[in-house]
Amino acid sequence: AQTVTQSQPEMSVQEAETVTLSCTYDTSESDYYLFWYKQPPSRQMILVIRQEAYKQQNATENRFSVNFQKAAKSFSLKISDSQLGDAAMYFCAYRSARRTGNMLTFGGGTRLMVKP
Amino acid sequence: SAVISQKPSRDICQRGTSLTIQCQVDSQVTMMFWYRQQPGQSLTLIATANQGSEATYESGFVIDKFPISRPNLTFSTLTVSNMSPEDSSIYLCSVGRGGDSNQPQHFGDGTRLSIL
Repeated sequence: AQTVTQSQPEMSVQEAETVTLSCTYDTSESDYYLFWYKQPPSRQMILVIRQEAYKQQNATENRFSVNFQKAAKSFSLKISDSQLGDAAMYFCAYRSARRTGNMLTFGGGTRLMVKP
Repeated sequence: SAVISQKPSRDICQRGTSLTIQCQVDSQVTMMFWYRQQPGQSLTLIATANQGSEATYESGFVIDKFPISRPNLTFSTLTVSNMSPEDSSIYLCSVGRGGDSNQPQHFGDGTRLSIL
C-alpha cells in the first residue's frame, strides 16, 4: 500500500516571500500521479498542481511549482510571492496510474499561515 | 472540470439517527468516491462507488454503517447510519474518470456533520 507523509504540520511565511512544503511518499509502483490540493477554511478541496511520474520536468502553475525527485520519492511544493489568500491546509496526494487504482491517498496536511 | 453539488452542506444530528448525503455531478463520471475528514485530520477514503455494481469499501469501513447508492452516472448517496459522536466529520464526495487516470479528481464542498 502507498503512504504519503507530510512532515510539517504547520508552516509560516511572510507575505511576498517564498515557502516550500515537503511531501514524501512510499510506493512500489513506477507509474503514478502526484497532486497538491489546497483546502481553505471553506473546506473545498482545490487542485493546485499535479505531476506525472513519467515526466522528469517539474510542473509549474503560475506562482506554484514542484520539486519532484522520483528516486528520493519526494514531491515538494514551492509557493513564490506568497499572498494572504494562500493561507490554507495543503495536502499532498498520490494516485496510481493503474486503471483500477484511481483513488487518492493523502498526506496528513500542512497548515500554511501567511503573515502580512 | 466537473461541477459537484453536495447536500446538505452541514447538519447537526442526534445520536442513533441516520443521515443521507447526496452528491450530484453536472456530467457523467465513471468513478465516484466518498472521503471522511475527521476534525483536524487528513482525508480518508471510505469507499468507491461505481454505477451498476456494489461499492468497494476500504479497510475499517463497512456497508452496514456507510451504505452507498449509485443509481446512475451523475448521482450517488452516502448514508451514515446509527450515528455516534465519533462520526462527527466532514464527508466529501469526489469524482474521477476511470479510463484516464491522469485527470485530477474534483471534490464537492463537503458535508460538515456534528453528532450530539
